[in-house]
Amino acid sequence: QSVLTQPPSASGTPGQRVTISCAGSSSNIGSNVVNWYQQFPGTAPKLLFYSDDQRPSGVPDRFSASKSGTSASLAISGLQSEDEADYYCAAWDVSLNGRVFGGGTKLTVL
Amino acid sequence: EVQLVESGGGLVQPGGSLRLSCAASGFTFSDHYMDWVRQAPGKGLEWVGRTRSKANSYSTDYDASVKGRFTISRDDSKNSLYLQMNSLKTEDTALYYCMRGGIPQYWGQGTLVTVSS
Repeated sequence: QSVLTQPPSASGTPGQRVTISCAGSSSNIGSNVVNWYQQFPGTAPKLLFYSDDQRPSGVPDRFSASKSGTSASLAISGLQSEDEADYYCAAWDVSLNGRVFGGGTKLTVL
Repeated sequence: EVQLVESGGGLVQPGGSLRLSCAASGFTFSDHYMDWVRQAPGKGLEWVGRTRSKANSYSTDYDASVKGRFTISRDDSKNSLYLQMNSLKTEDTALYYCMRGGIPQYWGQGTLVTVSS
Protein backbone atom coordinates (compact mmCIF):
# COMPACT_ATOMS: atom_id res chain seq x y z
CA GLN A 1 0.00 0.00 0.00
CA SER A 2 1.66 3.21 -1.18
CA VAL A 3 1.52 6.38 0.89
CA LEU A 4 0.54 8.35 -2.23
CA THR A 5 -2.51 6.98 -4.03
CA GLN A 6 -2.69 6.82 -7.81
CA PRO A 7 -5.15 4.97 -10.03
CA PRO A 8 -3.45 1.78 -11.26
CA SER A 9 -4.46 2.44 -14.84
CA ALA A 10 -5.63 5.14 -17.21
CA SER A 11 -6.36 5.16 -20.90
CA GLY A 12 -7.26 7.39 -23.79
CA THR A 13 -7.31 7.59 -27.55
CA PRO A 14 -4.84 9.60 -29.61
CA GLY A 15 -5.54 13.31 -29.35
CA GLN A 16 -7.51 13.03 -26.12
CA ARG A 17 -6.68 14.61 -22.79
CA VAL A 18 -6.07 12.34 -19.83
CA THR A 19 -5.49 13.16 -16.18
CA ILE A 20 -3.72 11.10 -13.53
CA SER A 21 -4.38 11.90 -9.89
CA CYS A 22 -2.12 11.53 -6.87
CA ALA A 23 -3.69 11.73 -3.42
CA GLY A 24 -1.63 12.28 -0.32
CA SER A 25 -1.89 13.93 3.06
CA SER A 26 -0.80 16.97 5.01
CA SER A 27 2.52 15.31 5.84
CA ASN A 28 3.57 14.89 2.22
CA ILE A 29 1.81 16.65 -0.66
CA GLY A 30 0.24 19.13 1.72
CA SER A 31 3.61 20.34 2.97
CA ASN A 32 6.16 19.49 0.29
CA VAL A 33 6.63 19.72 -3.43
CA VAL A 34 5.51 16.98 -5.81
CA ASN A 35 7.57 15.42 -8.57
CA TRP A 36 6.25 13.36 -11.47
CA TYR A 37 8.12 10.65 -13.37
CA GLN A 38 7.53 8.80 -16.61
CA GLN A 39 8.95 5.30 -17.00
CA PHE A 40 9.13 3.06 -20.04
CA PRO A 41 9.74 -0.69 -19.63
CA GLY A 42 13.37 -1.50 -19.00
CA THR A 43 14.46 2.09 -18.52
CA ALA A 44 15.10 4.41 -15.58
CA PRO A 45 12.38 6.88 -14.62
CA LYS A 46 12.46 10.23 -16.38
CA LEU A 47 11.57 13.41 -14.49
CA LEU A 48 8.50 15.08 -15.98
CA PHE A 49 7.85 17.75 -13.32
CA TYR A 50 9.53 18.98 -10.17
CA SER A 51 8.46 21.50 -7.55
CA ASP A 52 4.79 20.76 -8.32
CA ASP A 53 4.60 22.21 -11.82
CA GLN A 54 8.09 22.94 -13.12
CA ARG A 55 8.86 21.23 -16.39
CA PRO A 56 12.50 20.29 -17.13
CA SER A 57 13.75 21.25 -20.56
CA GLY A 58 12.79 18.74 -23.20
CA VAL A 59 9.43 17.80 -21.71
CA PRO A 60 6.69 18.67 -24.22
CA ASP A 61 4.20 21.31 -23.13
CA ARG A 62 1.43 18.78 -23.83
CA PHE A 63 2.27 17.68 -20.29
CA SER A 64 1.10 19.81 -17.35
CA ALA A 65 0.97 19.33 -13.59
CA SER A 66 -0.82 20.98 -10.70
CA LYS A 67 -1.35 20.67 -6.98
CA SER A 68 -4.16 21.63 -4.65
CA GLY A 69 -4.09 20.93 -0.94
CA THR A 70 -3.12 17.31 -0.43
CA SER A 71 -3.62 16.19 -4.02
CA ALA A 72 -1.75 16.59 -7.25
CA SER A 73 -2.50 15.76 -10.85
CA LEU A 74 -0.71 15.21 -14.12
CA ALA A 75 -2.47 16.02 -17.37
CA ILE A 76 -1.51 14.97 -20.87
CA SER A 77 -3.25 16.67 -23.76
CA GLY A 78 -3.07 15.66 -27.41
CA LEU A 79 -2.33 12.11 -26.30
CA GLN A 80 0.18 10.26 -28.48
CA SER A 81 1.06 6.59 -28.72
CA GLU A 82 4.54 7.29 -27.38
CA ASP A 83 3.00 8.53 -24.12
CA GLU A 84 2.14 4.95 -23.23
CA ALA A 85 4.19 4.39 -20.08
CA ASP A 86 4.02 4.18 -16.30
CA TYR A 87 3.68 7.45 -14.38
CA TYR A 88 4.65 8.02 -10.75
CA CYS A 89 4.18 10.88 -8.32
CA ALA A 90 6.56 11.45 -5.41
CA ALA A 91 6.97 13.78 -2.44
CA TRP A 92 8.90 14.05 0.81
CA ASP A 93 6.92 12.95 3.86
CA VAL A 94 7.76 14.87 7.02
CA SER A 95 6.15 12.30 9.31
CA LEU A 96 7.98 9.35 7.79
CA ASN A 97 11.08 11.48 7.20
CA GLY A 98 11.47 9.94 3.79
CA ARG A 99 10.52 10.19 0.15
CA VAL A 100 7.25 8.50 -0.78
CA PHE A 101 6.07 7.39 -4.20
CA GLY A 102 2.66 6.69 -5.61
CA GLY A 103 1.99 3.15 -6.71
CA GLY A 104 2.19 4.17 -10.35
CA THR A 105 -0.35 4.54 -13.13
CA LYS A 106 -0.07 2.53 -16.32
CA LEU A 107 -1.25 4.70 -19.21
CA THR A 108 -2.57 2.90 -22.25
CA VAL A 109 -3.14 4.68 -25.55
CA LEU A 110 -5.99 2.86 -27.25
CA GLU B 1 27.02 15.54 -18.88
CA VAL B 2 25.73 14.12 -15.62
CA GLN B 3 26.26 10.37 -15.32
CA LEU B 4 25.42 7.94 -12.56
CA VAL B 5 26.59 4.35 -12.94
CA GLU B 6 25.59 1.69 -10.44
CA SER B 7 27.44 -1.55 -9.92
CA GLY B 8 27.76 -4.40 -7.46
CA GLY B 9 24.45 -6.17 -7.94
CA GLY B 10 24.15 -9.93 -8.15
CA LEU B 11 22.66 -13.07 -6.67
CA VAL B 12 22.90 -13.48 -2.91
CA GLN B 13 21.33 -15.89 -0.45
CA PRO B 14 18.84 -14.75 2.18
CA GLY B 15 20.73 -13.43 5.19
CA GLY B 16 23.69 -12.45 3.05
CA SER B 17 25.30 -9.11 2.33
CA LEU B 18 26.04 -7.04 -0.74
CA ARG B 19 27.58 -3.62 -1.35
CA LEU B 20 26.38 -1.49 -4.21
CA SER B 21 28.31 1.42 -5.67
CA CYS B 22 27.28 4.43 -7.71
CA ALA B 23 29.95 6.32 -9.63
CA ALA B 24 29.04 9.92 -10.34
CA SER B 25 30.45 12.32 -12.91
CA GLY B 26 29.57 15.56 -14.67
CA PHE B 27 28.65 17.55 -11.55
CA THR B 28 30.03 18.57 -8.17
CA PHE B 29 29.18 15.39 -6.29
CA SER B 30 30.03 16.79 -2.86
CA ASP B 31 27.35 19.48 -3.14
CA HIS B 32 24.45 17.09 -3.61
CA TYR B 33 22.20 14.87 -1.58
CA MET B 34 22.08 11.36 -3.06
CA ASP B 35 19.26 8.83 -2.84
CA TRP B 36 18.86 5.13 -3.45
CA VAL B 37 15.55 4.00 -4.97
CA ARG B 38 14.60 0.43 -5.81
CA GLN B 39 12.05 -1.28 -8.01
CA ALA B 40 11.06 -4.90 -7.51
CA PRO B 41 10.32 -6.84 -10.72
CA GLY B 42 7.01 -5.68 -12.15
CA LYS B 43 6.40 -3.34 -9.21
CA GLY B 44 6.55 0.38 -8.51
CA LEU B 45 9.29 2.66 -7.24
CA GLU B 46 10.32 2.46 -3.59
CA TRP B 47 12.63 4.91 -1.83
CA VAL B 48 15.42 3.22 0.11
CA GLY B 49 17.28 6.11 1.70
CA ARG B 50 19.34 9.27 1.38
CA THR B 51 22.66 10.74 2.33
CA ARG B 52 23.04 14.47 2.59
CA SER B 53 26.09 16.54 1.76
CA LYS B 54 29.04 17.42 3.98
CA ALA B 55 27.39 20.77 4.65
CA ASN B 56 24.56 18.79 6.24
CA SER B 57 26.90 16.50 8.16
CA TYR B 58 26.42 13.59 5.76
CA SER B 59 23.23 12.77 7.68
CA THR B 60 21.19 9.83 6.44
CA ASP B 61 17.56 8.74 6.40
CA TYR B 62 16.15 5.33 5.59
CA ASP B 63 12.85 3.74 4.75
CA ALA B 64 11.51 1.71 7.66
CA SER B 65 11.77 -1.50 5.62
CA VAL B 66 15.58 -1.29 5.45
CA LYS B 67 16.49 0.67 8.58
CA GLY B 68 19.03 -1.20 10.66
CA ARG B 69 19.98 -3.48 7.77
CA PHE B 70 21.13 -1.05 5.07
CA THR B 71 23.76 1.68 5.37
CA ILE B 72 24.30 4.49 2.90
CA SER B 73 27.70 6.14 2.70
CA ARG B 74 29.64 8.29 0.31
CA ASP B 75 33.21 9.15 -0.58
CA ASP B 76 33.31 12.64 -2.03
CA SER B 77 36.98 12.22 -2.96
CA LYS B 78 35.96 9.39 -5.28
CA ASN B 79 32.63 10.87 -6.38
CA SER B 80 31.02 7.67 -5.21
CA LEU B 81 27.92 6.61 -3.33
CA TYR B 82 27.52 3.26 -1.60
CA LEU B 83 24.74 1.06 -0.25
CA GLN B 84 25.80 -1.64 2.19
CA MET B 85 23.01 -4.20 2.43
CA ASN B 86 23.08 -6.75 5.26
CA SER B 87 20.62 -9.41 6.42
CA LEU B 88 19.10 -9.48 2.96
CA LYS B 89 15.60 -10.82 2.50
CA THR B 90 13.87 -12.19 -0.58
CA GLU B 91 11.72 -9.06 -0.63
CA ASP B 92 14.85 -6.95 -1.18
CA THR B 93 15.07 -8.38 -4.71
CA ALA B 94 14.92 -5.35 -6.99
CA LEU B 95 16.67 -3.09 -9.43
CA TYR B 96 18.53 -0.51 -7.35
CA TYR B 97 18.93 3.01 -8.71
CA CYS B 98 21.01 5.88 -7.39
CA MET B 99 19.50 9.32 -7.89
CA ARG B 100 20.89 12.80 -7.48
CA GLY B 101 19.09 15.04 -5.02
CA GLY B 102 18.01 18.63 -5.57
CA ILE B 103 16.02 18.67 -8.78
CA PRO B 104 15.67 14.85 -9.00
CA GLN B 105 16.35 14.61 -12.69
CA TYR B 106 19.33 12.28 -12.79
CA TRP B 107 19.14 8.55 -12.26
CA GLY B 108 21.52 5.73 -13.02
CA GLN B 109 20.54 2.73 -15.12
CA GLY B 110 20.22 0.52 -12.05
CA THR B 111 21.89 -2.63 -10.77
CA LEU B 112 19.91 -5.80 -10.14
CA VAL B 113 19.97 -7.49 -6.75
CA THR B 114 18.45 -10.95 -6.49
CA VAL B 115 18.02 -12.52 -3.07
CA SER B 116 17.27 -16.19 -3.43
CA SER B 117 18.39 -19.55 -2.14
